[in-house]
Amino acid sequence: AQSVTQPDIHITVSEGASLELRCNYSYGATPYLFWYVQSPGQGLQLLLKYFSGDTLVQGIKGFEAEFKRSQSSFNLRKPSVHWSDAAEYFCAVESGGSNYKLTFGKGTLLTVNP
Amino acid sequence: NAGVTQTPKFQVLKTGQSMTLQCAQDMNHNSMYWYRQDPGMGLRLIYYSASEGTTDKGEVPNGYNVSRLNKREFSLRLESAAPSQTSVYFCASSTTGLEAKYEQYFGPGTRLTVT
Repeated sequence: AQSVTQPDIHITVSEGASLELRCNYSYGATPYLFWYVQSPGQGLQLLLKYFSGDTLVQGIKGFEAEFKRSQSSFNLRKPSVHWSDAAEYFCAVESGGSNYKLTFGKGTLLTVNP
Repeated sequence: NAGVTQTPKFQVLKTGQSMTLQCAQDMNHNSMYWYRQDPGMGLRLIYYSASEGTTDKGEVPNGYNVSRLNKREFSLRLESAAPSQTSVYFCASSTTGLEAKYEQYFGPGTRLTVT
């Protein structure tokens, strides 16, 4: 079965510092991959997605992610973090089969220090 | 264009009580989903509806029922609430298309407490 691992439960960075959030997946073929962000008390918002083609994908709010097949990874990056980026981030992979389900990781909580 | 709306936003139930969580989307999406979110567990799929008239179980369906009332609305019912169902519930929807069907749009959530 498909699975997603986010190794870091909680990350703290200083405002202006660079950020990398890790995501590893288990899937039998080239998957569709997603990053979602959840601000406190809110629903999830799609940040970016990878379906095929260029392995470096750009998203909203200045985020990017790189698909590395050899490492089964889809890490999220941002060159300079803003205080408003404090949120929980979820990586997701399509669940496979004929339906449209996603399997989510357990999330990484990002704290931004001033 | 409100996107995905959920009612109520908050609810407290006593063990054994029943309730229905409502979800509606105005994006003409075919597929709709119900998730629960618990600390340290991420999102887990309860039920989904790939299209109007169809529903299927997800990862954690026990204790829940769903109704796809029409294309816009997808409700989640707890027949006899238990403390283990204390959670935040999210509804989501997605459209058709080879890739677009995987892009899910989420509602703001319903925070449910069962005492």
